Order: sequence, then structure tokens, then C-alpha cells
Amino acid sequence: EAGVTQSPTHLIKTRGQQATLRCSPISGHTSVYWYQQALGLGLQFLLWYDEGEERNRGNFPPRFSGRQFPNYSSELNVNALELEDSALYLCASSLSQAYSYEQYFGPGTRLTVT
Amino acid sequence: GDSVTQMEGPVTLSEEAFLTINCTYTATGYPSLFWYVQYPGEGLQLLLKATKADDKGSNKGFEATYRKETTSFHLEKGSVQVSDSAVYFCALSERGTALIFGKGTTLSVSS
Repeated sequence: EAGVTQSPTHLIKTRGQQATLRCSPISGHTSVYWYQQALGLGLQFLLWYDEGEERNRGNFPPRFSGRQFPNYSSELNVNALELEDSALYLCASSLSQAYSYEQYFGPGTRLTVT
Repeated sequence: GDSVTQMEGPVTLSEEAFLTINCTYTATGYPSLFWYVQYPGEGLQLLLKATKADDKGSNKGFEATYRKETTSFHLEKGSVQVSDSAVYFCALSERGTALIFGKGTTLSVSS
């Protein structure tokens, strides 16, 4: 069974540009979570999508947004990039919260803002 | 709000030594508790979990017991190997919502 996949592996952008990160969940999983792992800040929750709807978002500005597609894959968009957005962005998936609380992570996208 | 506190690292051990990484939590409800491991250059792997008080999660020789009375979920392994060198994260989740992580503990095992 294929795990969670993310693309691209690495992304280099300039300050002020937009970045788009993609995630494909494990087959059968309907929930997708996004986390940011920045140096010195640990792992912080960004966004949670379930069944195509945004269920919750963490303490991040509105320029962090995303969506979930009908096939449950997800996209994270970061607008007006700032230097401090440089981080590893991790996507996780799980079955609907009614059935399982385990989240399985992808390998991440390393975003570098210069 | 909910939070997780785990011991600061790095933890440096010799091969076959006993490992304990302490983790305590604060939660308003009855969370599920997890340990994740991150090897260099990789994403997070679920190591073990416990969903209710007194549950013991175990995997690959690692164990942790959900202690509601002390709000703890300490990770233990009886004999570590060099291949166990990684960063270990304790985390909680209430009813399938977002994971709240501790800051991570770096384990370095030498032969």
C-alpha cells in the first residue's frame, strides 16, 4: 500500500512569491493535515481538511491557505512568501476521525525562501 | 490549551543501554497519545500509540504506558541500537483533531 506522497521534494522561492505544495493521502483516507516544521519552532499545525472541507486551522496568517480535492488530495498555498516561511512542510492523512486517530506522514516538502 | 512537554535532549547512549524519554501532557479532555520518530532527512513515522488510560503501546522494542494519574507517556526501550538514533516526538490528539507535539528529543546511540 502506497504511503502519503508529497511534491515537490524541494522548492526554492524568492520573498514575495507564491508557493504551492501538494499531498496525496493513503488510499481510503479522507482527512489531510498540514504541519510546518521550522528550525527552532518545532512542529506546528497549519490546516486540517476532511471530506473536502476545512475543519480547523492553526495560528497562521491567512496567506497560508489550501484546499482538498474530490479525490482527497490536498494543496497548500503560501502567498507573499517571507524568509521565515522557510521550513519543512509535512502532510499527514488519516481515516475519518470517527474511525481512527492515527495520522500517517509523508516525507515532506522542503521550502526555502531567499 | 492542550500541550506536551518532553525532556530536552540530546540524549547520548551506548549501544545496548536502557532508554527513557520523559513526556507529560496537559489536556482538557481524554486525548490519544503517540510517539513519532523522525530519522535524518525523513518525515515522521508513527512508533506507537495509546488511546486510553493504562493502555500500553509497543513497537520495535519500544514501549510507553498511558498514565492518566501522572499525565505521562514516557518512552522506554530496554536495549538501544545505533539504528535507533533519531529525533523522537511525543504528541497528543483529542478526537482525531490536529496533533500537538512536544519539541522533540534527539537520541544518539554509539557503538
